[in-house]
Amino acid sequence: QLQLQESGPGLVKPSETLSLTCTVSGGAISSSGHSWGWIRQPPGKGLEWIGSMYNSGSTYYDPSLKSRVTISIDMSKNQFSLKLTSVTAADTAVYYCARMAHTRPDYWGQGTLVTVSS
Amino acid sequence: QSALTQPRSVSGSPGQSVTISCTGTSSDVGGYDYVSWHQQHPGKAPKPLIYDVSKRPSGVPDRFSGSKSGNTASLTISGLQAEDEADYYCCSYAGSYEVFGGGTKLTVL
Repeated sequence: QLQLQESGPGLVKPSETLSLTCTVSGGAISSSGHSWGWIRQPPGKGLEWIGSMYNSGSTYYDPSLKSRVTISIDMSKNQFSLKLTSVTAADTAVYYCARMAHTRPDYWGQGTLVTVSS
Repeated sequence: QSALTQPRSVSGSPGQSVTISCTGTSSDVGGYDYVSWHQQHPGKAPKPLIYDVSKRPSGVPDRFSGSKSGNTASLTISGLQAEDEADYYCCSYAGSYEVFGGGTKLTVL
């Protein structure tokens, strides 16, 4: 059974960079036909797609976040990562990593809360 | 990029059926047969229920069904059970990215 687990700091200061890693177990991140993505959920609000990346290197980002987001894959560690620059309080959310089966999340991590505050 | 439009809440009694709508545009819901639905219980990660408009992943009961007409997709839950009380989110491919609905809270009376 594929499992995904997010890790990273739970508190980030305004204007700094949020960095999270997702570790994949039970399957190879190098498998074809899937991309690896990030989705977030502000407290009490709905889900927001951030972006995803294929093993080929192709990346797809939400247009409203594109200038601040970078997703990368480390196949040697079976991990992928999210970097979000110049964060503000509006970036406070539970961040989920997910495997994308073409156009939809088919496996989700359990989520990790990141708070942006000084 | 606007979120897809879902009703804030719906309710039904055990055994009844409820339908949750998800309205987008011709650039997302109406343009592709790539709508998925996800169930989220409080404090938990979302769980996939439906993909490609009407397909169910292995293990999802056939009480859950999906459909689409024009720019609106729908999730129908028949034979409501207490454990169906949760938030439900639609998600659509939009050409080069994904867009989610605002979520619908289902209350089982």
